[in-house]
Amino acid sequence: AQRVTQPEKLLSVFKGAPVELKCNYSYSGSPELFWYVQYSRQRLQLLLRHISRESIKGFTADLNKGETSFHLKKPFAQEEDSAMYYCALGGSNYKLTFGKGTLLTVNP
Amino acid sequence: NAGVTQTPKFRILKIGQSMTLQCTQDMNHNYMYWYRQDPGMGLKLIYYSVGAGITDKGEVPNGYNVSRSTTEDFPLRLELAAPSQTSVYFCASSGQGGNEQFFGPGTRLTVL
Repeated sequence: AQRVTQPEKLLSVFKGAPVELKCNYSYSGSPELFWYVQYSRQRLQLLLRHISRESIKGFTADLNKGETSFHLKKPFAQEEDSAMYYCALGGSNYKLTFGKGTLLTVNP
Repeated sequence: NAGVTQTPKFRILKIGQSMTLQCTQDMNHNYMYWYRQDPGMGLKLIYYSVGAGITDKGEVPNGYNVSRSTTEDFPLRLELAAPSQTSVYFCASSGQGGNEQFFGPGTRLTVL
């Protein structure tokens, strides 16, 4: 069965501090992993996917198959990064499995 | 392209009433999904469709129904609304199943 775990419901950091949002997954096949972001009262939008290995808005995420993790990182958090972040796992069954989300607050 | 659109944006229902949440996408995507989002619970899949005429249950289908008569539209029907259905509902579509999904703006539903 597919499972995504985001252990932190809430994460609070100060502007300029590094931030890491944790995501662990359980999947027997070859995973496709995504990070989605939802700003206050807006729709979810894709932030990045592991397969593209790109940096979006300063965020990066590396797939670690050994630790079954896909943590999201940014070296210097900005106030506009405050949002809900969801990790999602895709597989071969036409669906994405979402974690419960981490609410990131970046304080001035 | 408008992407994924949903109507209405907000709705208040009384217990026992019925309504249809509309979802339309203009990206010619085969895959469409309905989620509900509750505080602290993340997104839960209600129903999904892999193409016109084909629908299947997700994680929390009870109290809901869907249809997919066209590629573009995927309405979600609530029959006999209950307070437990108070939630924010998101529709999404994808060109490939299990891959990137594009979300609508959501419908905020309150059942009193």
